[in-house]
Amino acid sequence: AQSVAQPEDQVNVAEGNPLTVKCTYSVSGNPYLFWYVQYPNRGLQFLLKYITGDNLVKGSYGFEAEFNKSQTSFHLKKPSALVSDSALYFCAVRALNSGNTPLGFGKGTRLSVIA
Amino acid sequence: DGGITQSPKYLFRKEGQNVTLSCEQNLNHDAMYWYRQDPGQGLRLIYYSQIVNDFQKGDIAEGYSVSREKKESFPLTVTSAQKNPTAFYLCASTPLTGPGDYGYTFGSGTRLTVV
Repeated sequence: AQSVAQPEDQVNVAEGNPLTVKCTYSVSGNPYLFWYVQYPNRGLQFLLKYITGDNLVKGSYGFEAEFNKSQTSFHLKKPSALVSDSALYFCAVRALNSGNTPLGFGKGTRLSVIA
Repeated sequence: DGGITQSPKYLFRKEGQNVTLSCEQNLNHDAMYWYRQDPGQGLRLIYYSQIVNDFQKGDIAEGYSVSREKKESFPLTVTSAQKNPTAFYLCASTPLTGPGDYGYTFGSGTRLTVV
């Protein structure tokens, strides 16, 4: 079984401040981890992924995420938030050796960046 | 340009009516997925297909039906048995060959409203 938890429904941050969107996961074995962003009335857009290797993954639009195996976390971060980063963010996971099991998604976290 | 196209963007359904949502991809992806998105509930898997003429139920398949007659197409029918169909529907696709570390490509969604 696989699952994702995004403990915060909403995150508010001032423009220019660092932001963190939290994600924890549960899978059997090693994970593939993804972050997606969704703007209003649009589909999800890929931001970044963790497969293996460095625990710090860099992605699109200046976002990065840190994989922490001991804490089973994959938090999304950005050093300096922009108003245009305001959107809905989803974390997703599947197990490394799960064959073609569909991705499991979290419930999403709404990020609001205030000017 | 390669991509995944959902149509229509907005759809209105009368009580007791079946409606079909279209999803087409020209990415040569093997697998296709349908998700339902409701506020605060994230993405819930309806059906998925990994090969032509075969598909599997997801977590909330009741009241929905699908077909996969061509690799490029995966239409979703919302039947009259689905009592609360008002939602945002997302289609996604992914290749299955390779190491399995591919994320999904999403369409831009169809918003279905019961009138």
